[in-house]
Amino acid sequence: SQKIEQNSEALNIQEGKTATLTCNYTNYSPAYLQWYRQDPGRGPVFLLLIRENEKEKRKERLKVTFDTTLKQSLFHITASQPADSATYLCALGQLYNTDKLIFGTGTRLQVFP
Amino acid sequence: DGGITQSPKYLFRKEGQNVTLSCEQNLNHDAMYWYRQDPGQGLRLIYYSQIVNDFQKGDIAEGYSVSREKKESFPLTVTSAQKNPTAFYLCASSSAVGGRYTGELFFGEGSRLTVL
Repeated sequence: SQKIEQNSEALNIQEGKTATLTCNYTNYSPAYLQWYRQDPGRGPVFLLLIRENEKEKRKERLKVTFDTTLKQSLFHITASQPADSATYLCALGQLYNTDKLIFGTGTRLQVFP
Repeated sequence: DGGITQSPKYLFRKEGQNVTLSCEQNLNHDAMYWYRQDPGQGLRLIYYSQIVNDFQKGDIAEGYSVSREKKESFPLTVTSAQKNPTAFYLCASSSAVGGRYTGELFFGEGSRLTVL
């Protein structure tokens, strides 16, 4: 069956360092991969989308890579700040079928001063 | 501002009662979705609708019902048939450009349902 794995353990890093979160998947061939941020008790907020034919995408301090051979995406936050502390979800999707979007369980990031 | 509004934020229900969660969007999006979020699990799709007066079951539709009488509204009813309804419920919407969905989901702030 289709499976997405995100590190269930929280990632704790010091302010100013680069945070790297991992999303691995099996038994799926996504057309694109998304990353969302979710704060406690709130709905997820879309951050980035990367397509299967793209290797890397950047947005301000965020960078996402997508390796369809390894079936893995890496999400980087450079110069991390305490305000970046949240849970980050990855999701895999197919074109024309948003009902097929599959979410990972998320990784909690804690940035301490 | 444009967005998705869910209400109520918190809801308590006694066993055997039906409850309805409201979801309204003013983004002019065609598609709307209901997800359920439980600790340690990814978001799971309950129902979705791509057009008014039409909706489809998601992965965990049993014990739930929806309607889509207006483009802006997609209420979810949690019926007494849902065996484990305590969860965080999220409504979302997405736009279609030329019939092709952009993929990005816009979420509401969620409704937390607790069964007493």
